[in-house]
Amino acid sequence: EPEVTQTPSHQVTQMGQEVILRCVPISNHLYFYWYRQILGQKVEFLVSFYNNEISEKSEIFDDQFSVERPDGSNFTLKIRSTKLEDSAMYFCASRGVGATEAFFGQGTRLTVV
Amino acid sequence: SQKIEQNSEALNIQEGKTATLTCNYTNYSPAYLQWYRQDPGRGPVFLLLIRENEKEKRKERLKVTFDTTLKQSLFHITASQPADSATYLCAALDTGFQKLVFGTGTRLLVSP
Repeated sequence: EPEVTQTPSHQVTQMGQEVILRCVPISNHLYFYWYRQILGQKVEFLVSFYNNEISEKSEIFDDQFSVERPDGSNFTLKIRSTKLEDSAMYFCASRGVGATEAFFGQGTRLTVV
Repeated sequence: SQKIEQNSEALNIQEGKTATLTCNYTNYSPAYLQWYRQDPGRGPVFLLLIRENEKEKRKERLKVTFDTTLKQSLFHITASQPADSATYLCAALDTGFQKLVFGTGTRLLVSP
């Protein structure tokens, strides 16, 4: 069964460092998303991406965040200068054309120390 | 602001009983409500979707209702099993499909 894959599963980084979280969406999907979940809290929308541009972003997705689809298969989330409060589980999701169901990856646990 | 609320207290039931989880929304008129299952340390897994013009949707042991007057969705698992133990998330989706707005989730524990 096709699935969304994310790497790494766990990333530990020092405050102020840049991190790139990687995702491989399901191959024929065209809509891509990043969500995050701080421990014990709800899943929060960060950004949606379609046709090589951002469709919508939340207040959380400030200038420190960026997304990119560098090639035909990867979708990345970059945090330029990490803060302690960026520590969370980050989920990538993708959706097919005409579909309402989103498929989520297993997540990357980001720990900023 | 748009709010999706779920009972934050865990729901404990015995195997074989029906579990009923509640999702309420405010300041919002979602076109769709979706229910996801989330296991610890894992990503949400889609279960069911219901449209605003549908009253009820079923899939195997799962049933979802959508009451736009009460601004509420109910999620039922019949003949529950210990393997159903997980956190269940309600999520609202607008017609633009741009984002899901999630509730906090309700943890379900099914005892043998």
